[in-house]
Amino acid sequence: EIVLTQSPATLSLSPGERATLSCRASQSVSSYLAWYQHKPGQAPRLLIYDASNRATGIPARFSGSGSGTDFTLTIISLEPEDFAVYYCQQRSDWPITFGQGTRLEIK
Amino acid sequence: EVQLVESGGGLVQPGGSLRVSCAASGFKFSSNWMSWVRQAPGKGLEWVASITDDGSQKFYVDSVKGRFSISRDNAQNSLSLQMNSLRAEDTAVYYCVRDGIRLSDYWGQGTLVTVSS
Repeated sequence: EIVLTQSPATLSLSPGERATLSCRASQSVSSYLAWYQHKPGQAPRLLIYDASNRATGIPARFSGSGSGTDFTLTIISLEPEDFAVYYCQQRSDWPITFGQGTRLEIK
Repeated sequence: EVQLVESGGGLVQPGGSLRVSCAASGFKFSSNWMSWVRQAPGKGLEWVASITDDGSQKFYVDSVKGRFSISRDNAQNSLSLQMNSLRAEDTAVYYCVRDGIRLSDYWGQGTLVTVSS
């Protein structure tokens, strides 16, 4: 099983700041990595797929990068609605796995 | 508009069975793989099972193999998850998910399954 390790577990920032979230895979997943945003009581939302492609309707302040085992989700100039939990997911091999999540909280 | 609406969650005793379902609309259901993903209280997301567009192949996380069964009815635009021999650790919100190529692009609001005596 491919293990995804996200860091940091919690990130405390203020609106307007830049957020950098990391996801590291235990073995190469090529570019088959996606990022999701999850708010309490809501359905998770796809942000990024294939490591760097923004999903439909996702603002340009969200960007993804990386390949192989190291990936980054960057949010430039945080908006109040961006504070949530973020998960990475690999679909390179079965079973599909998620990282444990990074909680982005308001400082 | 893509809509995925789960139903069938509830309280069940350990060792019991429950079937959760998902009604899909707003897209050609028979063209997409579908999955179930769950989130236990206070925990992260966990993939549970996936099924191909024609239902010919099914994939499961090891912890539910032999206990859970995913199925679909393309004529009725519905997805189901039959859960048997339920355990306390199966307690979670279960999400119905539409899959694309290497991604999960639409998620339902989820249905809560609680396994407790």
